[in-house]
Amino acid sequence: QTVVTQEPSLTVSPGGTVTLTCASSAGAVTSGYYPNWFQQKPGQAPRSLIYSTSNKHSWTPARFSGSLLGGKAALTLSGVQPEDEAEYYCLLYFGNIQVFGGGTRLTVL
Amino acid sequence: EVQLLQSGAEVKKPGESLKISCKGSGYSFTNYWIAWVRQRPGKGLEWMGVIFHSDSHARYSPSFQGQVTMSADKSIRTAYLQLNSLKASDTAMYYCARTGDGGDIDYWGQGTLVTVSS
Repeated sequence: QTVVTQEPSLTVSPGGTVTLTCASSAGAVTSGYYPNWFQQKPGQAPRSLIYSTSNKHSWTPARFSGSLLGGKAALTLSGVQPEDEAEYYCLLYFGNIQVFGGGTRLTVL
Repeated sequence: EVQLLQSGAEVKKPGESLKISCKGSGYSFTNYWIAWVRQRPGKGLEWMGVIFHSDSHARYSPSFQGQVTMSADKSIRTAYLQLNSLKASDTAMYYCARTGDGGDIDYWGQGTLVTVSS
């Protein structure tokens, strides 16, 4: 089965910029994998941030952006806020099924 | 306002079965899929599968194929996830999520906590 890989953890300073990536064992991630990104804080349901690589939902803060970078899907946070400390998950579409990445724990320190 | 309202927490014994529900409101129910996602305690999200309400067509992750059954009743705008022969390892939070074309997820249910214990 296809494996989707994310950085296990990242640390960023408040006001800084950080990029999280999402790779597929099947090869380079393209727009055809319709990458989605989600944020989850402890004790809460996930919240959708990005769909179809780079599209934001109406509630997604402007500091979040999605892209493709070096054969991976990427989520960039610019001007990180303390409230951005959370677990972030990507989701890739493989035709009939979808697969989540293992998640990245983002620490704001 | 789009909402997905899931059924309440359940405590079951090993070997029992369980059917949890996800009721949609505030949108055209038959135009979207509903995905089910499992999250074991302290672990990541796992995509279980998705069901399309208009024809109850379901697609399952190979990891869950044969282990769970997804269904839907469009007349009451509700999707269901049935878990059979429960094991302790089925203890988890189960989420439903609205899914559009290409697998884009936007809205999530609040989650249903399932505890399997003897």
